[in-house]
Amino acid sequence: GAGVSQSPSNKVTEKGKDVELRCDPISGHTALYWYRQSLGQGLEFLIYFQGNSAPDKSGLPSDRFSAERTGGSVSTLTIQRTQQEDSAVYLCASSLNIGDQGAFFGQGTRLTVV
Amino acid sequence: GENVGLHLPTLSVQEGDNSIINCAYSNSASDYFIWYKQESGKGPQFIIDIRSNMDKRQGQRVTVLLNKTVKHLSLQIAATQPGDSAVYFCAENIPHSQAGTALIFGKGTTLSVSS
Repeated sequence: GAGVSQSPSNKVTEKGKDVELRCDPISGHTALYWYRQSLGQGLEFLIYFQGNSAPDKSGLPSDRFSAERTGGSVSTLTIQRTQQEDSAVYLCASSLNIGDQGAFFGQGTRLTVV
Repeated sequence: GENVGLHLPTLSVQEGDNSIINCAYSNSASDYFIWYKQESGKGPQFIIDIRSNMDKRQGQRVTVLLNKTVKHLSLQIAATQPGDSAVYFCAENIPHSQAGTALIFGKGTTLSVSS
């Protein structure tokens, strides 16, 4: 597609379950970001992939959070043993070169942990 | 820690007025700045960017000003329209651990435009 695609758009899960969120970046974009946005808040940086470099995981809030990017394209953010405080919108963005242009965002996945 | 922040959480203006949204940053190594607009239920949308070797950049009805001396960034919207109502975020590209750089966002300013 022409833009960043995220799935699912909405996810309701029970506390303690694992969830996987998917991001399809714009074709050819080497940089991929995951952010978390709680209601009425700003974007909290989670993790960043740039080409084949080791990802920057410094923003992950706990070891329950992990992400991978296969083949330099699709990325999956996994949250294990979900907690209610994990409820938020998870946004993915991609960029060809972050130093020359802004990152382009998907619509996000709204995660609700009940 | 270093962060990107905004001076005001909300801004209310009348249609046709000019709007100014401010942002303060603290990382002097930041070399690239972006303003995003986020409408309800949508992801952030790129508005305009500026590199650290510039102090002003203009787009269509929008202007970004960068003052590196006081680490301040502003977004000016001319002739504000109801469709400009949204949350506006500034973001800075900073050197960030082993991945090179990272795009870090401020908390956002909600712009409300009344007719």
